[in-house]
Amino acid sequence: KAGVTQTPRYLIKTRGQQVTLSCSPISGHRSVSWYQQTPGQGLQFLFEYFSETQRNKGNFPGRFSGRQFSNSRSEMNVSTLELGDSALYLCASSWEGATGGNGYTFGSGTRLTVV
Amino acid sequence: GQNIDQPTEMTATEGAIVQINCTYQTSGFNGLFWYQQHAGEAPTFLSYNVLDGLEEKGRFSSFLSRSKGYSYLLLKELQMKDSASYLCAFAYNFNKFYFGSGTKLNVKP
Repeated sequence: KAGVTQTPRYLIKTRGQQVTLSCSPISGHRSVSWYQQTPGQGLQFLFEYFSETQRNKGNFPGRFSGRQFSNSRSEMNVSTLELGDSALYLCASSWEGATGGNGYTFGSGTRLTVV
Repeated sequence: GQNIDQPTEMTATEGAIVQINCTYQTSGFNGLFWYQQHAGEAPTFLSYNVLDGLEEKGRFSSFLSRSKGYSYLLLKELQMKDSASYLCAFAYNFNKFYFGSGTKLNVKP
């Protein structure tokens, strides 16, 4: 059974550019969540999509956006990149809500470096 | 907001037992999760508590006391491969998780 797949694994962008990251969940999982992980802030929740609808949102500026397609694949976009956006971006998928007990399955992440 | 505290770093010896604490100031969550994350890798699910008490899974156990705002992860018979970061997280409705900053565990021979 394939895991959660994130592409690309590594990315280097220049300040002011925009970037799109992709996440393919485990087959049958309809919920996809995105996190930003930095050494100083730890794992911070960006947003969660379920059946193509954003269901939850964290406290990030509007430069961070996402979407989900009918096949549950999700993308997140960051516009007008800043140096502080350098981080590991993780997505996680789940087949039901947190009360299901299995929590998330995380992908290996996309390491974004903004120069 | 959510206030989740974990020790930043701990060191223990191979074969020993270690307890990683997680204290919090939040309520209304559905469950408490523990994840393990090796350097450069994705977090992997370890354990989950909904009700107060102890959940045991092999060498790993997790405890939750909602009234005390306290959880811990217990690792027994430590192995070198247990060197990793351990994250506690609270799950709210519809997969909204809040993670602590994690505890880096160093296991020494």
